[in-house]
Amino acid sequence: QQQVKQSPQSLIVQKGGISIINCAYENTAFDYFPWYQQFPGKGPALLIAIRPDVSEKKEGRFTISFNKSAKQFSLHIMDSQPGDSATYFCAARSGPAGSARQLTFGSGTQLTVLP
Amino acid sequence: GAGVSQSPSNKVTEKGKDVELRCDPISGHTALYWYRQSLGQGLEFLIYFQGNSAPDKSGLPSDRFSAERTGGSVSTLTIQRTQQEDSAVYLCASSLQAGGLYEQYFGPGTRLTVT
Repeated sequence: QQQVKQSPQSLIVQKGGISIINCAYENTAFDYFPWYQQFPGKGPALLIAIRPDVSEKKEGRFTISFNKSAKQFSLHIMDSQPGDSATYFCAARSGPAGSARQLTFGSGTQLTVLP
Repeated sequence: GAGVSQSPSNKVTEKGKDVELRCDPISGHTALYWYRQSLGQGLEFLIYFQGNSAPDKSGLPSDRFSAERTGGSVSTLTIQRTQQEDSAVYLCASSLQAGGLYEQYFGPGTRLTVT
């Protein structure tokens, strides 16, 4: 059962444009929503994360928008650069204290920023 | 400081053979996770270790998969009688603790190809 649905699968943006990646979830027990960036041959690296008690979080050119009622969250990359070309994964975490609290990942978005 | 390291980086094996994948977490991190990343898919949780507690094996896809963590540090993921569907990138992550907002740091992964 895919608990986090991510779209689009691939995205091509011109340099300077805005990249938008969307995720939707079903499990209302999720309480932490990170986005990971992965370059070829590397492991995923945390980019930015949000908790459901806020609707937006911004760090530099990266912004997470969170809609709790719709169970959706999105990543916006402003002024996209060729160096942003990578695979982006949304994720969600749940579980009681003391449990694994493992991440449930979306299927990933391959972002290409054209120079 | 040193990040999470994994070895080997690539492993090609014949169907039916056993393989061992190794993970060295960040020193001092008590929580360790194994994930599997299949082509075009997100990361799938496999197993979790926290200190000396019994591991959470709920994500292991079959009894051919097992893992151990010696001395609360290095972990080995073993796949017995490998099948072609086991071909994937196996990622290890560690964090200071499970839960809270402790970030999971990922290693570069081991790419397993079963021929």
